Amino acid sequence: EDQVTQSPEALRLQEGESSSLNCSYTVSGLRGLFWYRQDPGKGPEFLFTLYSAGEEKEKERLKATLTKKESFLHITAPKPEDSATYLCAVLKYALNFGKGTSLLVTP
Amino acid sequence: EAQVTQNPRYLITVTGKKLTVTCSQNMNHEYMSWYRQDPGLGLRQIYYSMNVEVTDKGDVPEGYKVSRKEKRNFPLILESPSPNQTSLYFCASSLVRGRLEGYTFGSGTRLTVV
Repeated sequence: EDQVTQSPEALRLQEGESSSLNCSYTVSGLRGLFWYRQDPGKGPEFLFTLYSAGEEKEKERLKATLTKKESFLHITAPKPEDSATYLCAVLKYALNFGKGTSLLVTP
Repeated sequence: EAQVTQNPRYLITVTGKKLTVTCSQNMNHEYMSWYRQDPGLGLRQIYYSMNVEVTDKGDVPEGYKVSRKEKRNFPLILESPSPNQTSLYFCASSLVRGRLEGYTFGSGTRLTVV
């Protein structure tokens, strides 16, 4: 059965304290891995798509990487405005989401 | 502005009273989908549509109906809502099943069934 597991469930960081979020998956025939950001009460906002192992993408303080079994979202020197829930999703026939990592960055 | 529009944003209804949540996109996307989001369960797909008149069940379709008569609209119908359908609902659209570009989501509809 296809599964997407995100860890940790919640993460609290001090402003400037870099860290990584993990998304592990067991999907055969992966067509893409997506990262989204979701603010409370709002729809997920697209961040990145990764297509194959070894690929990396960056956007401001965020960097996403992909291996054959997992993806990492690295956050460098986070700011309070980076606080949100980060969702990972894998695409096979439809988007299959993990349960997300809730990130809180304190000043 | 390219967007997915859902209405209403908030809805409180009573058990058994039929309701429709509308979803419209202006990006000429073929693929549209409905998800529900519940604490501890994440986003789960209810129904999806590959194109006009083509719909299929997702992971949690029980108690829901959809229709796709026009490319831009994909309403979600609850014929007889029950309290376990209280949830946050999202509509999403994409070019042909994601096209590796990511789905665009609406702002959500928070439904409470009492």
